[in-house]
Amino acid sequence: GENVEQHPSTLSVQEGDSAVIKCTYSDSASNYFPWYKQELGKRPQLIIDIRSNVGEKKDQRIAVTLNKTAKHFSLHITETQPEDSAVYFCAAQANAGKSTFGDGTTLTVKP
Amino acid sequence: GAVVSQHPSWVICKSGTSVKIECRSLDFQATTMFWYRQFPKQSLMLMATSNEGSKATYEQGVEKDKFLINHASLTLSTLTVTSAHPEDSSFYICSARGDGGGQPQHFGDGTRLSIL
Repeated sequence: GENVEQHPSTLSVQEGDSAVIKCTYSDSASNYFPWYKQELGKRPQLIIDIRSNVGEKKDQRIAVTLNKTAKHFSLHITETQPEDSAVYFCAAQANAGKSTFGDGTTLTVKP
Repeated sequence: GAVVSQHPSWVICKSGTSVKIECRSLDFQATTMFWYRQFPKQSLMLMATSNEGSKATYEQGVEKDKFLINHASLTLSTLTVTSAHPEDSSFYICSARGDGGGQPQHFGDGTRLSIL
């Protein structure tokens, strides 16, 4: 089955700096890669996703890149703000199958 | 759009009690629903996948007779923790997804289950 590895497990940055979270996957059939943000005690929420037919997608301060050959994808957050502090999960999914989640990255943005 | 409602949000009950958790998609038809268990500061552990009108597919190590899942309609799935014990105490989250590949999951708010 699919295996998703996510790094780092914790990340601390100063407000205004950029944050990068990286994930690798093992199943070449995976073609959909969502990223979720989970604030403490709340539900995971989709923040951005990318499909295998594109290499990069951007939404304001958030961007995701995908390298299908290397089987890795990354989340980039620029101009970080304290409200970006949360746990971020990457996931990989093949067609209509189940998503396999990474172990999560706890991001702390220091004011 | 894409709202998923999960109830109850918090349950405390005695050991041996059975607890039912509901997961509803409010504004879309959920072909597939997922049930997760999440321990503090840990990732989402998939317990089972359910498709409307068919039996749930359980992940390895999850007791299907312990965690009963019913997906009777395109908007409702239920998880029943039967004869719950303290070790079943956890945070349970459902998610729902529409038809077709490349669709995101929409999560409920979760249920914190505490068994005394």
